[in-house]
Amino acid sequence: QQQVKQSPQSLIVQKGGISIINCAYENTAFDYFPWYQQFPGKGPALLIAIRPDVSEKKEGRFTISFNKSAKQFSLHIMDSQPGDSATYFCAAIRNSGYALNFGKGTSLLVTP
Amino acid sequence: KAGVTQTPRYLIKTRGQQVTLSCSPISGHRSVSWYQQTPGQGLQFLFEYFSETQRNKGNFPGRFSGRQFSNSRSEMNVSTLELGDSALYLCASSTGLAGTHNEQFFGPGTRLTVL
Repeated sequence: QQQVKQSPQSLIVQKGGISIINCAYENTAFDYFPWYQQFPGKGPALLIAIRPDVSEKKEGRFTISFNKSAKQFSLHIMDSQPGDSATYFCAAIRNSGYALNFGKGTSLLVTP
Repeated sequence: KAGVTQTPRYLIKTRGQQVTLSCSPISGHRSVSWYQQTPGQGLQFLFEYFSETQRNKGNFPGRFSGRQFSNSRSEMNVSTLELGDSALYLCASSTGLAGTHNEQFFGPGTRLTVL
């Protein structure tokens, strides 16, 4: 079954706006939560990642917020740009776990 | 440094045939993982190879198999193709096992269409 649930499935944001994508997980053994960005015709690329010992991590316009008690984490894209239009996947993996567990993805469109 | 390369990029096969996909990892990377990406199921783990040994396997039938060579290049094979095998097959490489949280670098994928 899907171990990481991601929403929304698609998102349209105006240029300059904030894009927010949410993920939830059940397995409390997960201890590493990366986000991947995928452009058409390309493989996913690591965008930013967080461990559960911190509640927030920021890299440029991208911020992950992590709520361990709620078992939720989210990606915020500030000042969204048309070049951010892509599919975003959250994922989770546990230490010594064998594979990334991916959410089903969010297709983001940033309009000019 | 060259990225992960996958060949071929596109394949069209018919039901019942078999197919072999190839992945060349980033130089120095010893782990290669394979994922199947479909619109309905998203990204699903197939298997991981490290030092020529299959270390982990996802929940896929035995028709899906793979191997890794001494130069870390990997191949995956799908026998007796079914329509539902149509997907983008992604290969990812990393310096160590995925479970050690090493960053995985994905290739562009092989788009397999089964008619």
